Amino acid sequence: DGGITQSPKYLFRKEGQNVTLSCEQNLNHDAMYWYRQDPGQGLRLIYYSQIVNDFQKGDIAEGYSVSREKKESFPLTVTSAQKNPTAFYLCASSNGGRAGDTQYFGPGTRLTVL
Amino acid sequence: DQQVKQNSPSLSVQEGRISILNCDYTNSMFDYFLWYKKYPAEGPTFLISISSIKDKNEDGRFTVFLNKSAKHLSLHIVPSQPGDSAVYFCAAREYGNKLVFGAGTILRVKS
Repeated sequence: DGGITQSPKYLFRKEGQNVTLSCEQNLNHDAMYWYRQDPGQGLRLIYYSQIVNDFQKGDIAEGYSVSREKKESFPLTVTSAQKNPTAFYLCASSNGGRAGDTQYFGPGTRLTVL
Repeated sequence: DQQVKQNSPSLSVQEGRISILNCDYTNSMFDYFLWYKKYPAEGPTFLISISSIKDKNEDGRFTVFLNKSAKHLSLHIVPSQPGDSAVYFCAAREYGNKLVFGAGTILRVKS
């Protein structure tokens, strides 16, 4: 049963704490992505990775960090430097940039910073 | 500066009628366009896509039209069903397979 899993679904943290969001895929996809969704806005790209051990900043990378040590895993750390971390975070994966490539999304993690 | 715009925040349609969701873009380098459907507190689900070399793509009740000269695409849902009620996002692909998303349109299908 192939897919993308994100855990946990809901996450609460105190202000000033770093927190890591998990994203795992068993689709054998090369590329993985992290997006953030805020109310009334579209999805905004935080970081993406086209291949293991390589990643690039997206449009809103400040205050976030990622790693890509394994093909199936792309964890996102929300650091204390992120000014407004409360949001819905979505992970996606794709075959990686070829014509007609489609990104598939996980169920998301709702992060609330208290 | 928004490169992908969905100017209608919401749309209400009667069950059985046609739903038309619109999307405008500014970047002529976009080569691929996608529509996603999203329920609250869930991840977006891929619906349908179209390459920039085509002007129409159809999949069951869903048809996407692309007008490159106007930099406009639309998603037609016929017939609309109550289960289609969701937020619909238009997305456009730029280099490196990065997607740029519109802000979304809330579709409500009334029974």
